[in-house]
Amino acid sequence: KAGVTQTPRYLIKTRGQQVTLSCSPISGHRSVSWYQQTPGQGLQFLFEYFSETQRNKGNFPGRFSGRQFSNSRSEMNVSTLELGDSALYLCASSPVGRQGAKNIQYFGAGTRLSVL
Amino acid sequence: AQKITQTQPGMFVQEKEAVTLDCTYDTSDPSYGLFWYKQPSSGEMIFLIYQGSYDQQNATEGRYSLNFQKARKSANLVISASQLGDSAMYFCAMTAKGNAGNMLTFGGGTRLMVKP
Repeated sequence: KAGVTQTPRYLIKTRGQQVTLSCSPISGHRSVSWYQQTPGQGLQFLFEYFSETQRNKGNFPGRFSGRQFSNSRSEMNVSTLELGDSALYLCASSPVGRQGAKNIQYFGAGTRLSVL
Repeated sequence: AQKITQTQPGMFVQEKEAVTLDCTYDTSDPSYGLFWYKQPSSGEMIFLIYQGSYDQQNATEGRYSLNFQKARKSANLVISASQLGDSAMYFCAMTAKGNAGNMLTFGGGTRLMVKP
């Protein structure tokens, strides 16, 4: 079974631009979550999608948005990029949606975004 | 809100020896899950082991075991017979039933270096 696939793996953008990252979950997984990882802030939760609906959102500005398609694939978008948005963006999928259950999240290799 | 604390920023261990990575957590939710992930330099987060708050026995997965002490709110990872390939960042994380979804809260991580 294929794992979580994130594209692209690397991205270089300039301030003010926007960017879209893609995540294909493991087949059959319906929950997709996004995380930002930076040396200063560590791993922070961005948002989670389940059945095409955003179920939970972290403490990030509205420039960060996402969506999920009917096939569970997800995209996240960052508009008006800032230097501080440089980070590793990780996507994770899990098989079940029941809250608080043993929902093991399986991660992709991430997209490393550099904002110049 | 949940909080995860990993007090060891970096650790060395001799190849073939056992090592314990510390993790303490804080939550007011009686139902929660604890996870350990490994992140090699490639960036991908690899799931290692899970412990549920109501599980009576400590979780084990091959060379990994979780020393769960509920009263002390600790969930230490024990790696037996360390291998050179175990050199990586290790993250402790948790999710709680009260969360709307699958949000993982991560600790700051421990960098493990295995010496030959």
